[in-house]
Amino acid sequence: SQQGEEDPQALSIQEGENATMNCSYKTSINNLQWYRQNSGRGLVHLILIRSNEREKHSGRLRVTLDTSKKSSSLLITASRAADTASYFCATVDYGGATNKLIFGTGTLLAVQP
Amino acid sequence: NAGVTQTPKFQVLKTGQSMTLQCAQDMNHEYMSWYRQDPGMGLRLIHYSVGAGITDQGEVPNGYNVSRSTTEDFPLRLLSAAPSQTSVYFCASSPRDMRSSYNSPLHFGNGTRLTVT
Repeated sequence: SQQGEEDPQALSIQEGENATMNCSYKTSINNLQWYRQNSGRGLVHLILIRSNEREKHSGRLRVTLDTSKKSSSLLITASRAADTASYFCATVDYGGATNKLIFGTGTLLAVQP
Repeated sequence: NAGVTQTPKFQVLKTGQSMTLQCAQDMNHEYMSWYRQDPGMGLRLIHYSVGAGITDQGEVPNGYNVSRSTTEDFPLRLLSAAPSQTSVYFCASSPRDMRSSYNSPLHFGNGTRLTVT
């Protein structure tokens, strides 16, 4: 079963606007990761936020984590056409002591030039 | 470094045929894994390995076998292909296992697109 669920499933914005994607998960976690996938390619790791962190920045990316609500958000500021991709969150079921990184179903972001 | 290399890029099989999807990494990573990606389903973990000689099942292991005889290679075998195995398959590796407290992002290959008719 999916550990993470992204919302929305698809998002279309204009270049320069901000894009926000949300991820909800089900179990206790050690960290939460975000990945990007360009069409026809493998996934690329973007950012990792640990369970004791509430916010993390990397360039135009801002990730928040609310462990009480079991949710995370990924904000891309000043979006560019090159940001067009699918975005996935991924977590490990820390309480289950497994070694499985489970991905959500993803958000498809389209940035119109 | 080549990173994670998957071969072939494309494959068409008939139902009942067998084949092996190859995955190799040159980063001396401990952890390797196989995912399949289907429309609307995201990525689902098939099998993973935390080191040479050690493998375990993921979320959807049925119909697939793996082995890890070396650190570098982690082949995925389909013994008797079925149309339900039509998918894009991704291999990924990481320096440390997923329970590590340290940052352990996955490095992905570019995938194998498999069609079973």
